[in-house]
Amino acid sequence: AQSVAQPEDQVNVAEGNPLTVKCTYSVSGNPYLFWYVQYPNRGLQFLLKYITGDNLVKGSYGFEAEFNKSQTSFHLKKPSALVSDSALYFCAVRAAGTYKYIFGTGTRLKVLA
Amino acid sequence: EAQVTQNPRYLITVTGKKLTVTCSQNMNHEYMSWYRQDPGLGLRQIYYSMNVEATDKGDVPEGYKVSRKEKRNFPLILESPSPNQTSLYFCASRKGTGAYEQYFGPGTRLTVT
Repeated sequence: AQSVAQPEDQVNVAEGNPLTVKCTYSVSGNPYLFWYVQYPNRGLQFLLKYITGDNLVKGSYGFEAEFNKSQTSFHLKKPSALVSDSALYFCAVRAAGTYKYIFGTGTRLKVLA
Repeated sequence: EAQVTQNPRYLITVTGKKLTVTCSQNMNHEYMSWYRQDPGLGLRQIYYSMNVEATDKGDVPEGYKVSRKEKRNFPLILESPSPNQTSLYFCASRKGTGAYEQYFGPGTRLTVT
């Protein structure tokens, strides 16, 4: 069965510091991995994806994520956090050849000025 | 403007009174999906549709029905709503084979009393 774990309910980071939001997954076969962001009272917005190729993928707003097959992880990172990055972040996985998406429980990122 | 729209955005109803939440996309996307978002549980997929007249169950389909008679529309039907269906609902779409990211609607907050 597919699953996604986001072990931290909340991550606090000071503005200007690097940030990491963790995600691990379990899926049969090749994974398609995604990060989405949700701002208050809004729908989810796509940030980035890993499908194949380079393990480091770059996305919107300066975010990047590293796919680690051996650790089954796909952590979201940003070198320098902004207060405006404060939001709810979701990791998601879909097994190649399937249509089902599994989302994590979300991590609330709070960037402190 | 390319978008996914949902109606209504807010709905308060009573147990057992049938309701429909509409979802429409103007991007000619093949794939559409419904999710519910609950605190501590993240997003869970209810139903998805690969194309017109092609639908399948997600992880939490009980108590819901869907139909896909036109490519642009994917309504979610609650035949006999119950309080445990109180939730925030999101519709999403993606282009089809070879496309991976989903585009989300703004959400429908449903309260069943």
